[in-house]
Amino acid sequence: QKEVEQNSGPLSVPEGAIASLNCTYSDRGSQSFFWYRQYSGKSPELIMFIYSNGDKEDGRFTAQLNKASQYVSLLIRDSQPSDSATYLCAVHSGGSNYKLTFGKGTLLTVNP
Amino acid sequence: EAGVAQSPRYKIIEKRQSVAFWCNPISGHATLYWYQQILGQGPKLLIQFQNNGVVDDSQLPKDRFSAERLKGVDSTLKIQPAKLEDSAVYLCASSSLHRGGQTQYFGPGTRLLVL
Repeated sequence: QKEVEQNSGPLSVPEGAIASLNCTYSDRGSQSFFWYRQYSGKSPELIMFIYSNGDKEDGRFTAQLNKASQYVSLLIRDSQPSDSATYLCAVHSGGSNYKLTFGKGTLLTVNP
Repeated sequence: EAGVAQSPRYKIIEKRQSVAFWCNPISGHATLYWYQQILGQGPKLLIQFQNNGVVDDSQLPKDRFSAERLKGVDSTLKIQPAKLEDSAVYLCASSSLHRGGQTQYFGPGTRLLVL
């Protein structure tokens, strides 16, 4: 059973701080890693993906991947109240069907 | 570019009734997914289509759930008969291919409440 684990939170940070969201996965053959943001009552929207070890930056967001430790994280710099949402980690474990396994998500609250 | 369309957005039915959901993927996306998301959980894949063929339906409760994707575009997901535990949001997604794999884009979802 391929698993994706996330701290369910809630994670609370003050406005302007760095929010750090973490995700671990069980399948060492995993190839691609995705972060989705889901506002309450809305569908998931893609923030970014990463497939190489190291960091990938996109605006205020940085994804970090460490395949040896089976760990992927998302950093949000200068957090804003509008970043308050559930963040879902999803892992593609290889294979031609590109199946994604999602974690349960971490609820982030950014306090003004 | 239009996103993934789904209908209806909300549905309330009684247990043992049947219900159907419709999805229209992003134009040109060959792969279509149906997910079930129970409150407080991440999305769980029910079925994946590549064009009009099924790629993965290992987590689809086939005794009550069925899905089809005629002509490789629109798709319908049906539940018959519904159970209380089917209350969830049903998400449709479609994907495009890139170097890292396929990126999935979600529709707004259908919220189902079974009473």
